[in-house]
Amino acid sequence: EPEVTQTPSHQVTQMGQEVILRCVPISNHLYFYWYRQILGQKVEFLVSFYNNEISEKSEIFDDQFSVERPDGSNFTLKIRSTKLEDSAMYFCASSDLAQGTGELFFGEGSRLTVL
Amino acid sequence: QKEVEQNSGPLSVPEGAIASLNCTYSDRGSQSFFWYRQYSGKSPELIMFIYSNGDKEDGRFTAQLNKASQYVSLLIRDSQPSDSATYLCAVNPGNQFYFGTGTSLTVIP
Repeated sequence: EPEVTQTPSHQVTQMGQEVILRCVPISNHLYFYWYRQILGQKVEFLVSFYNNEISEKSEIFDDQFSVERPDGSNFTLKIRSTKLEDSAMYFCASSDLAQGTGELFFGEGSRLTVL
Repeated sequence: QKEVEQNSGPLSVPEGAIASLNCTYSDRGSQSFFWYRQYSGKSPELIMFIYSNGDKEDGRFTAQLNKASQYVSLLIRDSQPSDSATYLCAVNPGNQFYFGTGTSLTVIP
């Protein structure tokens, strides 16, 4: 069964450092998303990506965040200068809204710990 | 602002009972509604989706949608201890998916 894969599963970094989280969405999906979930809190939308550009972003997704699809398979989230409050689980998800149920398929998540 | 509201719980039910989970949403343009289950430390996984008003049944799960009241619910019949998890309501008003805070369910053996 096709799945969304994310790396790394856990990353520990120092405040102010740059972090890149990587995702491989399901191959025939066209919509890609990043969500984050701070421990014990809700799943929060960060950004959606379609046709090689950002289609929507939340107020959380400020200038320190960026996304990229550097090749035909990877989808990355970069946090330029991490802050303590960036510590969270980051979920990548993909969807093919034009077909099927239009559901979101989530990766297993990347846990980011900022010290 | 697109809000999805859920009672955070915790909701506790005995094994074999019916668990009822509720969700309201603010965006009347929402077309698709999803229930996800999330075990602690894991990613959300889809349980059910519903697009039309009324009930939709899948095994022990029934989703109910009332667009006029902007309300969607999930019933879990014959609850099992393995159903203990956080249940997330998600709304899809376009190309985005917005999640509620989730309801924590505990099924007591």
